[in-house]
Amino acid sequence: DAGITQSPRHKVTETGTPVTLRCHQTENHRYMYWYRQDPGHGLRLIHYSYGVKDTDKGEVSDGYSVSRSKTEDFLLTLESATSSQTSVYFCAISEGVGVPDEQYFGPGTRLTVT
Amino acid sequence: DQQVKQNSPSLSVQEGRISILNCDYTNSMFDYFLWYKKYPAEGPTFLISISSIKDKNEDGRFTVFLNKSAKHLSLHIVPSQPGDSAVYFCAASITGNQFYFGTGTSLTVIP
Repeated sequence: DAGITQSPRHKVTETGTPVTLRCHQTENHRYMYWYRQDPGHGLRLIHYSYGVKDTDKGEVSDGYSVSRSKTEDFLLTLESATSSQTSVYFCAISEGVGVPDEQYFGPGTRLTVT
Repeated sequence: DQQVKQNSPSLSVQEGRISILNCDYTNSMFDYFLWYKKYPAEGPTFLISISSIKDKNEDGRFTVFLNKSAKHLSLHIVPSQPGDSAVYFCAASITGNQFYFGTGTSLTVIP
């Protein structure tokens, strides 16, 4: 299994509070991604990174920001959490060398915003 | 707008029979397709992929078929086993590393 960890694994927070989710990899892969999974929507890309300090928006980036200061860490921040951001969040990594390649996913973080 | 669609939310199959999971896409620029398998409380795991220059790719019990003219791909599992019971997602990409996922099909293999 690819070395990907996410923290925390579960979090309950109140509307309006800031939240940061962490993804850590030990594979030295170039690309890192944040997805959210919701019923009826499958997995949707929030943001992704193609290198240290290099990030770009995905399909559903509004209300989220990311940072990548080291190859191994990719942080997802909800500046002011809303109930619509209640979801399961998955981090993924890929080597990103040449052709598209498969992504390896972390175990997920279940976030509940009350 | 969902660019990758899995119109069957669930599928039940007897052990030993064939499971066929379907996926449709709308963007003709997609040129790389993958299938992922997901168990409850775990992240998705990669299963099999296919490039748009091919129409079939096989890996053991798993075969993916691509019909570009119909913008349709399917995953065949033969023979189906109880351990195959999971949610299956198809995903598509345009020569890059952004993937668009379908909504998933929950497969139940009945012993």
